[in-house]
Amino acid sequence: GENVEQHPSTLSVQEGDSAVIKCTYSDSASNYFPWYKQELGKRPQLIIDIRSNVGEKKDQRIAVTLNKTAKHFSLHITETQPEDSAVYFCAASSRTGANNLFFGTGTRLTVIP
Amino acid sequence: NAGVMQNPRHLVRRRGQEARLRCSPMKGHSHVYWYRQLPEEGLKFMVYLQKENIIDESGMPKERFSAEFPKEGPSILRIQQVVRGDSAAYFCASSPFTENTEAFFGQGTRLTVV
Repeated sequence: GENVEQHPSTLSVQEGDSAVIKCTYSDSASNYFPWYKQELGKRPQLIIDIRSNVGEKKDQRIAVTLNKTAKHFSLHITETQPEDSAVYFCAASSRTGANNLFFGTGTRLTVIP
Repeated sequence: NAGVMQNPRHLVRRRGQEARLRCSPMKGHSHVYWYRQLPEEGLKFMVYLQKENIIDESGMPKERFSAEFPKEGPSILRIQQVVRGDSAAYFCASSPFTENTEAFFGQGTRLTVV
């Protein structure tokens, strides 16, 4: 099955700096790569996603890049704010459906005011 | 649209009891996915169901766990003879289709086995 690795596990940045989280996946059949933000005790919420026919996607301060050849994708958050502090999960789809997702182990992002 | 509804939010069971977790998908959604999240870990896919069908249960433990999504009513994740290792947050997500759409997560059920 799919194996998704995520780094780093924790990340602290100063407010206003950028944060980058990287993930790799193993199954070349995966074609959908969402990123979720999860605050303590709450549900995961989709913040951005990318499909395999696109190399980069941007939504305001958040961007995601995908390199299908190398099987890795990254999340970039610019101009970080304290409310960006949360756990971020990358995920990759399985062969049986775009929403059967294999998740990374998460990155705890702390934005220091 | 009320979103994906899960109940109960918190469930405490003694070892050996049964746990039944319910998930009502968003209106118009016919695809349901169950995930388990252990403390300080990511979400692990368990099972994918459509109405009256199990599509993919490759992440489901072979024993004690079962899931259904009947024609009428919520999807049920059932854990028989619970053990301490079953303590986790169980999230349900739903989508209208399986491809090219976002899956929306419920608030989760936090199961504690004592």
